Formats: sequence, structure tokens, C-alpha cells
Amino acid sequence: AQKITQTQPGMFVQEKEAVTLDCTYDTSDPSYGLFWYKQPSSGEMIFLIYQGSYDQQNATEGRYSLNFQKARKSANLVISASQLGDSAMYFCAMREPNQAGTALIFGKGTTLSVSS
Amino acid sequence: DADVTQTPRNRITKTGKRIMLECSQTKGHDRMYWYRQDPGLGLQLIYYSFDVKDINKGEISDGYSVSRQAQAKFSLSLESAIPNQTALYFCATSDGTGPGELFFGEGSRLTVL
Repeated sequence: AQKITQTQPGMFVQEKEAVTLDCTYDTSDPSYGLFWYKQPSSGEMIFLIYQGSYDQQNATEGRYSLNFQKARKSANLVISASQLGDSAMYFCAMREPNQAGTALIFGKGTTLSVSS
Repeated sequence: DADVTQTPRNRITKTGKRIMLECSQTKGHDRMYWYRQDPGLGLQLIYYSFDVKDINKGEISDGYSVSRQAQAKFSLSLESAIPNQTALYFCATSDGTGPGELFFGEGSRLTVL
């Protein structure tokens, strides 16, 4: 069974609109961490945002926020006011247990295309 | 200069050849990882190391080996390359503090003919 599921192979949005990229996860460990990474066409992996399973509030980093719904095991990434530079592949990842240094498990990714 | 450097960035080789991908880092992190990326499959963990004396297999270690020569260096070897090892390979590091996010190198694109 997949640990991280990203069901949207591709998403399309217009500039200045908000977009939500879906991510569901599967774990029985109460301690876990959830991460989102961005991979532009140039190929590098860029860390965007982190949410710990015990964090009380949803994580936010600038235009990025994580809609963390623990009971539903979902950790959707919300990008507000999309920009052309947001066009990229986005990966959701999980670490279990949530100990720094434990390897991340990645989903298959969602390609986001932002048009003007 | 990048904090996590991978060499070579691109390599084309033939089936049966031995290939080494090298990774060095200046971040001072103890933990290092090798991932493989295939289109539509995301990133899959090959090997990881928590320190020089610690090497662990990931989910797809068959056909690969690694060497942690120093805290800053972690090499991935394909002893006898095969075409289905054609992929983009990433080295990453992390430390033991904070959220522990991974810091990635720029990737090594390997093509096995």
C-alpha cells in the first residue's frame, strides 16, 4: 500500500488564483512529519513547508499553507495568489516516526501549470 | 557553490559498466541519503547513512552499493549497470535538529544504454 498518495497528476491554474494540491498519507505511527517539496523544470528539489503530527496549528510559509486534517490523514498544500514561477512538480513526503534524520517517503508528485 | 554537490551531473554508459556517483556536502550534516527519481514514480530511497559507520538499505537497494568515505562524502555505485537503472539520482542531507528537512543536491542524470 502506498504511504503517500497524490491523486492529481496535473493541475492547471491561472495567475493570482489559489490552488490546492492534494496529499493523503497512511501511517499507524502517532508521530510523523509531513513535507512538501517543489521541483521546477531545472530539476532541483526545493523544500517548501513542514507539518508535525502534534502541531496544533496548520503550517504556513509565505504563500504556502498546509491544510492538515489529521482525522482524514490529509495534508494538502495550498498556494495562494499563484505566480508563473509556481509552475513545477510538487511532492508530498512523510517521515515516520518523526525523528530528525529518518528518511522521507515521497508521493508520485503533481505537476502544476500556471498560466497568464 | 552548492552545499550538496553531485558528480557527474550527467553520464551516459553502457550495460554492464561500473558507475560511481559521488556526493559531497559542506553543510556539516551527519545524515546522507541517495534517492532515485523515475517519471511518474516520485523519489524512491536507495540507501541512507546516519554516520560514517552506519549504512542502511532503502526500499530499492538491489543493484546498488554505497560508501560513506567521510562525514561529508557519500558515494553510490552501480556495479553492473542495466538499462532500467536509467534515472535521475539525488543525494540529500539532513541534520538532527528542527524539522529535519532534506537538503538535495542538483541531481545526477544517468542513462544506461
